[in-house]
Amino acid sequence: GAGVSQSPRYKVTKRGQDVALRCDPISGHVSLYWYRQALGQGPEFLTYFNYEAQQDKSGLPNDRFSAERPEGSISTLTIQRTEQRDSAMYRCASSSSGNGPRKFFGPGTRLTVL
Amino acid sequence: GQQVMQIPQYQHVQEGEDFTTYCNSSTTLSNIQWYKQRPGGHPVFLIQLVKSGEVKKQKRLTFQFGEAKKNSSLHITATQTTDVGTYFCAPILSSNTGKLIFGQGTTLQVKP
Repeated sequence: GAGVSQSPRYKVTKRGQDVALRCDPISGHVSLYWYRQALGQGPEFLTYFNYEAQQDKSGLPNDRFSAERPEGSISTLTIQRTEQRDSAMYRCASSSSGNGPRKFFGPGTRLTVL
Repeated sequence: GQQVMQIPQYQHVQEGEDFTTYCNSSTTLSNIQWYKQRPGGHPVFLIQLVKSGEVKKQKRLTFQFGEAKKNSSLHITATQTTDVGTYFCAPILSSNTGKLIFGQGTTLQVKP
């Protein structure tokens, strides 16, 4: 595609529900990143993939958060048993490789947990 | 662990004035990238600095990497209203992963 796309753009859910956020990176990009951004803050690293392999998940807050990229392209970030503190903008980024080149960010998914 | 401080947090300038934001790390960096995020938008890559003492220019923007590779700065000459946004530095922890840890950002407001 022309850029990184994310869906849904907005998600409102009730506390305790599970949500799945999708990221479609730029075609051919090897590396895919998930970030969370609170209002007025910088993006906070969550996890990172090279191809289908999850290279680093040190930023995932707890075991309710998980991510996968089974075929090395589209990725899904899943949050189980959502809590109000999970409300934030979730951003995906991709790059042609992991070794330092520019990251292209998607528009984000705004998650609101009521 | 890796810590990055970015100052100032906010800056209000009159159009035409200069602006500088600083990024300071507690450890030596491999590379550093800079991103700009417009209000309501997503971060957009501006530049990557790799070498000690490196200086790069993009029109009115000047980026500098410190000699010790522990700090960096972004200077904008003669700001314009189109410069409004939040500027983030993003040091790369390892040349193998490209993992970015973003600074807190400096939000620039420009009065016309």
